Amino acid sequence: GAGVSQSPRYKVAKRGQDVALRCDPISGHVSLFWYQQALGQGPEFLTYFQNEAQLDKSGLPSDRFFAERPEGSVSTLKIQRTQQEDSAVYLCASSLVRGYNEQFFGPGTRLTVL
Amino acid sequence: AQSVTQLDSQVPVFEEAPVELRCNYSSSVSVYLFWYVQYPNQGLQLLLKYLSGSTLVKGINGFEAEFNKSQTSFHLGKPSVHISDTAEYFCAVSEGDYKLSFGAGTTVTVRA
Repeated sequence: GAGVSQSPRYKVAKRGQDVALRCDPISGHVSLFWYQQALGQGPEFLTYFQNEAQLDKSGLPSDRFFAERPEGSVSTLKIQRTQQEDSAVYLCASSLVRGYNEQFFGPGTRLTVL
Repeated sequence: AQSVTQLDSQVPVFEEAPVELRCNYSSSVSVYLFWYVQYPNQGLQLLLKYLSGSTLVKGINGFEAEFNKSQTSFHLGKPSVHISDTAEYFCAVSEGDYKLSFGAGTTVTVRA
């Protein structure tokens, strides 16, 4: 069956550009997560949705980062005025319900800001 | 807040030899523990998890881990590795019921 998909897989942006990263979770999964993985590091939590509600955005590094999930399925992570320190792999994960359920991860979007 | 330390950044190992990946965590409350594997150009895949009960947890692909509360450790092992086990392995901790905190990862390279 289809897993979590993310697009684009690779994105190169010039410093100052806005980017939008898309996540398609597994159909029927209620919970959706975004993580940021810098080179040589483990993923770090950015934000969490339950259906369309963004319940936790404590990990977003600045107000340039914005995430939405308007219909409770597809989610978009937007980064405005990108900076070089935003270069990382952005991972999306979904799980069936909130709780101790397995989070299924997508392949990630590798963002490089020049 | 919790933190996770993976004590080895790289572990080279010969095929059919055993491997152990070490993970320590710090937390002031009870935690839930996970090991994920990441193959090149793929997403993270759950190997195993500890929520409660038996401290010895068996996962996929022949991996197992042991939770040691007194030492705040959750080490991962496999008695005999294959070339296909070459990957990056992440230990993760959750204090609540959704947010995962990951270690920096351990790269396992299996050589023939």
